[in-house]
Formats: sequence, structure tokens, C-alpha cells
Amino acid sequence: ETGVTQTPRHLVMGMTNKKSLKCEQHLGHNAMYWYKQSAKKPLELMFVYSLEERVENNSVPSRFSPECPNSSHLFLHLHTLQPEDSALYLCASSQDWGQRSNQPQHFGDGTRLSIL
Amino acid sequence: AQSVTQPDIHITVSEGASLELRCNYSYGATPYLFWYVQSPGQGLQLLLKYFSGDTLVQGIKGFEAEFKRSQSSFNLRKPSVHWSDAAEYFCAVVGGANNLFFGTGTRLTVIP
Repeated sequence: ETGVTQTPRHLVMGMTNKKSLKCEQHLGHNAMYWYKQSAKKPLELMFVYSLEERVENNSVPSRFSPECPNSSHLFLHLHTLQPEDSALYLCASSQDWGQRSNQPQHFGDGTRLSIL
Repeated sequence: AQSVTQPDIHITVSEGASLELRCNYSYGATPYLFWYVQSPGQGLQLLLKYFSGDTLVQGIKGFEAEFKRSQSSFNLRKPSVHWSDAAEYFCAVVGGANNLFFGTGTRLTVIP
């Protein structure tokens, strides 16, 4: 699956650093998602963008700041993270958002984030 | 509220043996259900999906799943497991706004 590309694949940062995760989709989809995947927990939906507008923010701390400059790109800006933020961050896209659909979400390979 | 339960955290099977991974869902209407697989270091790949119609759905890599409304289940099966099937498997249900609700996953180990 190469439709959704995430960079970098791995990131190690200190708690005072600022970094960004990037996601790009080549599927012509209108909706993009950020998920956090931690060990032994279900995937946690963080943010949803539909047609470049943020439509979901699931009580995510402000140290995570998403940006969607166009329908193909999604960023997650990181600032002053905590050790418990170490996880795999997955990006996904789908054709649309807002109504239940039989079109699946397509996932990238994720960015493995480690906070020192 | 919608939710998914995967009761088995870890399953070990021998190569060539049959496999069944359990998934129970909670959803008020007819559910849209997915199974995804995640290999180490990779994202989630769609195996199969159910929306309506035939309750036995076929997916990629020889997997199938059966939707049973009376049991609120959508179990994943494969008649003969290959070593390359070792991975983590996630069941998910689609919520009202097209958000996915995932189970905690089942890790499959395949022994030679």
C-alpha cells in the first residue's frame, strides 16, 4: 500500500524540541486522519480533516497541533511532548467523512516517535 | 455507543493449521465492519469488509469472515495459516460520522 506516505518513519526527540510529522495521500481522498497507537490500547483517533477543515479533535492536548494545507497533505506539529507521547502515529485517508460509508480508510506505515 | 472487543490478545498456531480470530461489536444499526492486518513496522492493511448481503465475506490472502447478527460477531478465519500471516489483526466498526472504532488487536504467532 503506497497510497498514503508518512515521513519520517522514526523520530527521536527531547521534550523541549519542536518537530513535525508529515503525511501525503495520492488517492484523491477528501478526508484525512491522525491516530495514535500505543501498546495494548485500541487505536486512538486524534484528529479528522474533511475538505481541509478540522472536523474532529478528540480531546488531544495542545502540544499536538495538526495542519492540513490541502487535501493531499496533513501535518502533525509537535511541541513540548511528554514521555507518554511515545507511540506509533498513523495517518489515514478516506474518500469522504461525515456519513457512514462502505469505503475503507487507507493507512500509512506510521511514524515511530520516541520522547527522551 | 459503538465498540469492538477482541477477546484474544495473543494466539499461537502451527503453520498449516486453521485459524479463527474473534471479534464482537456493539452498534445500534446494521454495522459496517472491517478487518485490518498490521505487520511489524507497517501500517494497517485492509483484509476484508462487510456492509450488507452475504454474511460470509472473502478477503485477501485467503482470509474470510462471517457476520453473525445474533451473536454480534464478525470472526476472521483462514483454513491453513502460513508463516507470513504472523502479524497483529484488528477488527473495526464504522461509527455514524464514518469514524472507525477499533478493538485492541490480536497478535498472531505462527510456529513452524
